[in-house]
Amino acid sequence: AQTVTQSQPEMSVQEAETVTLSCTYDTSENNYYLFWYKQPPSRQMILVIRQEAYKQQNATENRFSVNFQKAAKSFSLKISDSQLGDTAMYFCASRFGNEKLTFGTGTRLTIIP
Amino acid sequence: DTGVSQDPRHKITKRGQNVTFRCDPISEHNRLYWYRQTLGQGPEFLTYFQNEAQLEKSRLLSDRFSAERPKGSFSTLEIQRTEQGDSAMYLCASSFYGSNEQFFGPGTRLTVL
Repeated sequence: AQTVTQSQPEMSVQEAETVTLSCTYDTSENNYYLFWYKQPPSRQMILVIRQEAYKQQNATENRFSVNFQKAAKSFSLKISDSQLGDTAMYFCASRFGNEKLTFGTGTRLTIIP
Repeated sequence: DTGVSQDPRHKITKRGQNVTFRCDPISEHNRLYWYRQTLGQGPEFLTYFQNEAQLEKSRLLSDRFSAERPKGSFSTLEIQRTEQGDSAMYLCASSFYGSNEQFFGPGTRLTVL
């Protein structure tokens, strides 16, 4: 079975600090894509960052970066200089060789002023 | 606004009634996806279309569920004889063929009494 696991249901951090959200996955595919999506309260889900499994270099998007460990099947998201607007549910997701996305259960992140 | 739109945003119905949701994808996106998200969980894949062809259906999509995309533009998701277990957020997403990014709509929240 192809699964995505997020083991941190909730996290909180002070504004301007750095926070890391964890994600692990399981697949037998060699070619796949990994994503972090953000779902703010009562708002639609938006893509934060993506990583192609065949690329060794970790993806970065401004304050967001990933630590992709293919052998360990780990894909964590680091948010630097956290801002109040980062408060949201964060979902790790993967596309394992077909079109559908497989999501984890999410981490509720709260940025404290 | 040129994003993915969904209608209605909220639907309350009684058990046993039929409901239909609509999704309008980003124009020129030829792929359209339906997901279901229950409280405290990540979205789960239901089905997807490429143009008007329904290419994959999850086993979650029981016989009471049917989805269409008759002209390759908007899509409808119908649930017949609703059950309390159908209460969830129904999310629609769209993408270009070959793109890894799915753009999500705001969802339709269904409550079955």
